[in-house]
Amino acid sequence: DQQVKQNSPSLSVQEGRISILNCDYTNSMFDYFLWYKKYPAEGPTFLISISSIKDKNEDGRFTVFLNKSAKHLSLHIVPSQPGDSAVYFCAASASQGAQKLVFGQGTRLTINP
Amino acid sequence: DTGVSQNPRHKITKRGQNVTFRCDPISEHNRLYWYRQTLGQGPEFLTYFQNEAQLEKSRLLSDRFSAERPKGSFSTLEIQRTEQGDSAMYLCASSPWATSGGTDTQYFGPGTRLTVL
Repeated sequence: DQQVKQNSPSLSVQEGRISILNCDYTNSMFDYFLWYKKYPAEGPTFLISISSIKDKNEDGRFTVFLNKSAKHLSLHIVPSQPGDSAVYFCAASASQGAQKLVFGQGTRLTINP
Repeated sequence: DTGVSQNPRHKITKRGQNVTFRCDPISEHNRLYWYRQTLGQGPEFLTYFQNEAQLEKSRLLSDRFSAERPKGSFSTLEIQRTEQGDSAMYLCASSPWATSGGTDTQYFGPGTRLTVL
């Protein structure tokens, strides 16, 4: 049972344009959502998070949007830069208990010059 | 503080051997997690420590896996009688004590890549 899904395995965007990565979840208990960026042979690097009490959180070029009714979140990167090329993982957790992260399968983002 | 560290970074072993990995979390982080990531998938939760207490284990963690966090500082993950299916990236993450009603971000180490021949 895949509780967090990233339906696009890959995405290619031109440098300077907006990159939009999407994520869907099914578990209503999730109330905290995060995006991580991962390069090969490295651990995930935290990018940005959002609590379920908000619908938007912005940090520099990165903005995360949360639509609780649709159980959908998205990460916007603008403008996209070549260094943004990596695999992006969406993750979700519930504030009760262990707060373990449930990850999506990842989306490989490629920024073309 | 240099973040979460893991050793070794790579481990190649033969089937049936035992292996042990170490994780040093960010100082003063009370919570420590182990995850496993296989090719093409996101990381999957294995186990969780709050200080020295192991409070939750995934069904993925068979009897051959054991984890410890003595004194609530570093943690070790041991796999006994390794199998080829154990080949994966083993990731450790830590987070501070969650504020009342809140959730804190987990910060990951670089991982240990295990290859079982």
